[in-house]
Amino acid sequence: SQTIHQWPATLVQPVGSPLSLECTVEGTSNPNLYWYRQAAGRGLQLLFYSVGIGQISSEVPQNLSASRPQDRQFILSSKKLLLSDSGFYLCALQRDLYEQYFGPGTRLTVT
Amino acid sequence: SQQGEEDPQALSIQEGENATMNCSYKTSINNLQWYRQNSGRGLVHLILIRSNEREKHSGRLRVTLDTSKKSSSLLITASRAADTASYFCAGGTSYGKLTFGQGTILTVHP
Repeated sequence: SQTIHQWPATLVQPVGSPLSLECTVEGTSNPNLYWYRQAAGRGLQLLFYSVGIGQISSEVPQNLSASRPQDRQFILSSKKLLLSDSGFYLCALQRDLYEQYFGPGTRLTVT
Repeated sequence: SQQGEEDPQALSIQEGENATMNCSYKTSINNLQWYRQNSGRGLVHLILIRSNEREKHSGRLRVTLDTSKKSSSLLITASRAADTASYFCAGGTSYGKLTFGQGTILTVHP
């Protein structure tokens, strides 16, 4: 069965500091992977998706970037965090044609 | 951008009652999916209905889709306290991308 690991689970970072969130998946190969952000009390906003190693599509222009250095690794980064980057970050993989399977998420607070 | 708009934003019912949530979407979709999120957790897929389907059942869940009105509804019958969660609809494309709505917060009182 497929498993998604995300770390860290929670993170508190000052404004202007860098960010690196990691997502790794098990139990599948060459999955489509997605990064979402969820603001408090809101729906999910798709940030990036990847159909393979080194292939990244950006959905929303912002100070975040994503990379996929390995088939089962998806990384979300920022060089300088903004207050507006606070939120709940979810990694997901595409399963069974259309359904997406979500990881446990990382809660980021920028202070 | 958020595609779906859920209605109501919050719903409070007693255990045993039915809960109905509605979703409207703006662009063309290949499928419409519903997800559940317990507080502070990841999303869990509940049910998918394809654009050429009108109704689908799964256990206590019933989903309808009206592509002419670009709307969908999720019915949870005989609700339980454990159904308390946020519910999101998501419009899906043929290549797998999802666009989520803002969600409905459901509270089921024991």
